[in-house]
Amino acid sequence: AQTVTQSQPEMSVQEAETVTLSCTYDTSESDYYLFWYKQPPSRQMILVIRQEAYKQQNATENRFSVNFQKAAKSFSLKISDSQLGDAAMYFCAYRLIQGAQKLVFGQGTRLTINP
Amino acid sequence: DAGITQSPRHKVTETGTPVTLRCHQTENHRYMYWYRQDPGHGLRLIHYSYGVKDTDKGEVSDGYSVSRSKTEDFLLTLESATSSQTSVYFCAISESRAGQLFFGSGTQLSVL
Repeated sequence: AQTVTQSQPEMSVQEAETVTLSCTYDTSESDYYLFWYKQPPSRQMILVIRQEAYKQQNATENRFSVNFQKAAKSFSLKISDSQLGDAAMYFCAYRLIQGAQKLVFGQGTRLTINP
Repeated sequence: DAGITQSPRHKVTETGTPVTLRCHQTENHRYMYWYRQDPGHGLRLIHYSYGVKDTDKGEVSDGYSVSRSKTEDFLLTLESATSSQTSVYFCAISESRAGQLFFGSGTQLSVL
């Protein structure tokens, strides 16, 4: 079974600084997607960024980028120029390309932004 | 936002009573999911559906059942609620092969 591990229950960063959230996963498959979701206090789940495992290039979305290391099964999220609105729970997730598209989530990292 | 409505948004119930949570979508997506969110565990899959009347179990399905008689509705039933089922329940939908799930706003369920 696939598992996703986020080893940092909590992280904090100064506003305008850069922070990196860690995620590792375990799978024997070669074709899959990886995601980072953000959950602000409103409880809404918001997709931040997506990475296809067959792509070597790291995905980026504005201030958000990933460091995808397939051999190491690592998928970290870097947030540059942190803003107060970035404060949230962040979840790493995995799913196979084939099949029922169900996501497997990590435990989450709570990110605090210090003004 | 994807057209997903969960009802109720909050519910308090007593141990041993049956509870049904409803997820309604207006996107005509094929796949629908029920997750529960608990501190320290992230989101865990309870059941999912890959079409009308086609459902399967997730990793934490004990004590839960589901039904999908129409594309737009996916019901989650707790046959006899227990305190361990106190949680936030999320419905999600998916259609694109790109794999993104769209989530509802969640239902906070408290079992006393």
